[in-house]
This record gives sequence, structure tokens and C-alpha cells, in this order.
Amino acid sequence: AQRVTQPEKLLSVFKGAPVELKCNYSYSGSPELFWYVQYSRQRLQLLLRHISRESIKGFTADLNKGETSFHLKKPFAQEEDSAMYYCALSGRIAGTSYGKLTFGQGTILTVHP
Amino acid sequence: DTAVSQTPKYLVTQMGNDKSIKCEQNLGHDTMYWYKQDSKKFLKIMFSYNNKELIINETVPNRFSPKSPDKAHLNLHINSLELGDSAVYFCASSQEGTGNTEAFFGQGTRLTVV
Repeated sequence: AQRVTQPEKLLSVFKGAPVELKCNYSYSGSPELFWYVQYSRQRLQLLLRHISRESIKGFTADLNKGETSFHLKKPFAQEEDSAMYYCALSGRIAGTSYGKLTFGQGTILTVHP
Repeated sequence: DTAVSQTPKYLVTQMGNDKSIKCEQNLGHDTMYWYKQDSKKFLKIMFSYNNKELIINETVPNRFSPKSPDKAHLNLHINSLELGDSAVYFCASSQEGTGNTEAFFGQGTRLTVV
């Protein structure tokens, strides 16, 4: 079974402060991890994936297999970062070549001016 | 150009009714999905189809029946609607079904059962 846990439902920070959105996962195989974001009145969209190791909009996330974590970080939060963030894990469906994308519960980030 | 489009955007209906939500993608993707987002914003997969073939059926009541007439369309039909079916339903698509490629989402359909 694959599971994604985001322990914080709500996270509030002030503009310019560092922000870290926590994500832990459970999966027996080699996971692919993603962060998706949903801004107000917009559709859910991919923010970044661990395999690309890139920084998007100042956000980075490092896969830590020892701690089974994939926390999302940004050193200086901006007001436009306020959104719902979902951590997601892609795991192979046993006996097939298909995968399943499982989402965490989501974290609502609010960045105050 | 809207990549993944769902209709309707809002749906209010009475208990016991049957309703359908339509989804179309113009990205040429092979795989399409339905997700349910409940009142606590928890996003859970319901179904996935790859080239019109059902791949994932995630213990969803059989009142829910997906239909994929072609790989660009995945419709969701719900029979005998219940209060607990009230949620936002998201359609999504991806290039292939391994789960390792980006999923593109529709804008969601907010279903309210009264």
C-alpha cells in the first residue's frame, strides 16, 4: 500500500519568512514524489517532482529515503505563494506496468503581508 | 485552449437522482482519471483508464460507473445519488499510465446533493 501524510492542515507565515511544508510517505518500492499546488480559483497543477531536482518559484524539495520524507521548502515566502499544496506519490500497481498517484491530505499555506 | 475540461462546473441535485459529469482532454494523453475531493480537501483517486481500458477502480460504490468512449473522454455516471456523494470531482489526464508523468487536472465539478 502507498500512503502520503501531510501533518499540517494549515500553515501560516509572514512574507519573507522561510516556509517548510512537511510530507512523509509510505511505500515499499522506489517512489516517485511530486508536489502539486492549487491557487485560489485555479486548477490543480504540478509544482515540482523529485526526479527533476529543480527549483520552481523558489521552492525545492529533497527526497529523503531514510526518513521517507519529501518536504517542500522556500527560504523567503511571498504572498502569491498562498495556496493549497498537495504532496503526491506515484507507485507501481503490483503485477502491472501502470502506476497510481496518491495524494496527501493537503496543506493550506497562507502568507501574510 | 483548455487542456482538460469538465462539465458541468456546478451540479445541484436531489437524493436518488442519476447524474453524469463529462470530461474531455485535448492533450493526446493515453490515461485519464477521476478523483474525489471531500469536504476536508482530501483528494482520493476513484478510477483510471488507459486507452479506454479500466486500470484502477478504487473501492468506489458501484453506483459510480465510468465510461470511456474513446481515449480523449472519460465520463462519470452516478446512480441513486446520496448526501455523502457531495464533493468536488476532478478529472485528470497524463501521457501514460505509469504515474510518473505530470497529471493535468480539470477545473473540477462541485456536486451538491440535497
